[in-house]
Amino acid sequence: NAGVMQNPRHLVRRRGQEARLRCSPMKGHSHVYWYRQLPEEGLKFMVYLQKENIIDESGMPKERFSAEFPKEGPSILRIQQVVRGDSAAYFCASSPPGLANRADTQYFGPGTRLTVL
Amino acid sequence: AQKVTQAQTEISVVEKEDVTLDCVYETRDTTYYLFWYKQPPSGELVFLIRRNSFDEQNEISGRYSWNFQKSTSSFNFTITASQVVDSAVYFCALMFSTSGTYKYIFGTGTRLKVLA
Repeated sequence: NAGVMQNPRHLVRRRGQEARLRCSPMKGHSHVYWYRQLPEEGLKFMVYLQKENIIDESGMPKERFSAEFPKEGPSILRIQQVVRGDSAAYFCASSPPGLANRADTQYFGPGTRLTVL
Repeated sequence: AQKVTQAQTEISVVEKEDVTLDCVYETRDTTYYLFWYKQPPSGELVFLIRRNSFDEQNEISGRYSWNFQKSTSSFNFTITASQVVDSAVYFCALMFSTSGTYKYIFGTGTRLKVLA
């Protein structure tokens, strides 16, 4: 019973490069959530996706950040032209299929630690 | 507005001591859910417990227990006879309904250090 998978676990980028973070939800789950954790802080919601659909992106920065969850393959969080302030841990969570208005427990992946030099 | 406060930034205890981690939440919703997650040094987030707002029954799971009190908007977590492996950052979270979906808001976490 594989849990939520994220890769890479650690990613180093130079300012101006692109970062691509991948998340495979738990088997049988079809809802994916992305969170950002800055050093010494709690997790902050970024975006909620179902297959081929963005449900809620109210926590996403307006520029440089995008997310997708295609019909096949993992969910991708993409950060273009990274800056030092993007350095953080990015967590993905998943929950079972169903209506978006259900209060399902989210199960988290191990996170990707992004360092921008 | 929804808010979760974990006032204790860091707690240090000696092994076998009991320790309580505080969590105070704010919400105007009548239906909501509370969670605790553990983040060990390896960094992953481990789900510990979920409570819904209609169930104030306290819960015990081994050395872990949770005290949910709606009157004080608190959901405290106690570890009995702490062990070094309990050393981690513990996050309290509130799930609430907004614009047709449910969303988590996390506290800033309490770092627990259990010394041998």
